[in-house]
Amino acid sequence: DADVTQTPRNRITKTGKRIMLECSQTKGHDRMYWYRQDPGLGLRLIYYSFDVKDINKGEISDGYSVSRQAQAKFSLSLESAIPNQTALYFCATSVNSVYNEQFFGPGTRLTVL
Amino acid sequence: QKEVEQNSGPLSVPEGAIASLNCTYSDRGSQSFFWYRQYSGKSPELIMSIYSNGDKEDGRFTAQLNKASQYVSLLIRDSQPSDSATYLCAVTSSFGNEKLTFGTGTRLTIIP
Repeated sequence: DADVTQTPRNRITKTGKRIMLECSQTKGHDRMYWYRQDPGLGLRLIYYSFDVKDINKGEISDGYSVSRQAQAKFSLSLESAIPNQTALYFCATSVNSVYNEQFFGPGTRLTVL
Repeated sequence: QKEVEQNSGPLSVPEGAIASLNCTYSDRGSQSFFWYRQYSGKSPELIMSIYSNGDKEDGRFTAQLNKASQYVSLLIRDSQPSDSATYLCAVTSSFGNEKLTFGTGTRLTIIP
């Protein structure tokens, strides 16, 4: 089984809809991250969490919210999806160490029409 | 100025040759440096980490770090068609290691 899983893997939705992307990990890592990837813009950090009680905004958090339900689960929500949120979304995890090696899930391809 | 810069490519290298990928960064206090490989439509895969000046070798891959010049490079020896991918450079911030800043990646094509 994969260490980091994301659901759904693909999603097509309409403008204004609420959507949730889920991430689960069996690596036992404390830190979890949500990124989006757009062609030409690279990976950009949306939110990150060090534990259930610690949530931090990344560089592009507007229009997104997150929930850390447990050490192993970190969800990303789009309250009212808009077309420019069409992107590839990745969850990542890392051990709480000075090195911060991050390991990525398989990604969710989201299309907002 | 971008924080982490990479030549977007594409970089074309004959099979069996050495592929050389470069990355420069602006934060002089960055402490950790990573190379990820990403196949089209797939997630980034960590292939090399380097934390101190000099070279680090792992199989066909060598990472080189020069903090004084603020660059990190990745050499791939005996390039194979399966090495064709986009390579992402990532660095931590001097303000703390909890976040990574990624370059936009270099697309590498190995020509059989």
